[in-house]
Amino acid sequence: DTEVTQTPKHLVMGMTNKKSLKCEQHMGHRAMYWYKQKAKKPPELMFVYSYEKLSINESVPSRFSPECPNSSLLNLHLHALQPEDSALYLCASSQTTGQGYEQYFGPGTRLTVT
Amino acid sequence: GQNIDQPTEMTATEGAIVQINCTYQTSGFNGLFWYQQHAGEAPTFLSYNVLDGLEEKGRFSSFLSRSKGYSYLLLKELQMKDSASYLCAVNVDNDMRFGAGTRLTVKP
Repeated sequence: DTEVTQTPKHLVMGMTNKKSLKCEQHMGHRAMYWYKQKAKKPPELMFVYSYEKLSINESVPSRFSPECPNSSLLNLHLHALQPEDSALYLCASSQTTGQGYEQYFGPGTRLTVT
Repeated sequence: GQNIDQPTEMTATEGAIVQINCTYQTSGFNGLFWYQQHAGEAPTFLSYNVLDGLEEKGRFSSFLSRSKGYSYLLLKELQMKDSASYLCAVNVDNDMRFGAGTRLTVKP
């Protein structure tokens, strides 16, 4: 199983809502990532978890809150988002964060903030 | 800062060969990856280089020169389904930094 799954596929939320994005992998990978991708732009790294511990936080606003409950699951909790946060949110995983380990991406959640 | 540069767009003909270049200036280097991304879909891994030289995988090859901060992705026998964005990404201190991507259009 070389699949990373993400739910939901699409999400529309208001600026006062609280929602969560979910990501799951069963490849035994110990590194998981959240990326944000705007149209016609490359993915931008948001967070990296290594062995369920947050290892990189790329100065992301606190309205985005990651959580890694176990080695297979990664959540992104959303609160008080802005319309400019509308984007494709990609989850990825790799064996570890070390050299040479490719990242496997999930299909993404397309988020629209109204 | 980290700079990873690729051409924005390229066009090629079905059956031909195309080379997509990537130059980088980064504070560290743990390898260079190429990903393919079709519109509205997630990136998928194509190749990885950490040592200088050419890596070949079927119709795709990737080359790296660390001293020049340069890589290219070579696509042979182009097919219509190869129309996609191709992302060059450098692993810097366990952090994957992506170039802006090259949008390739394959024409009949």
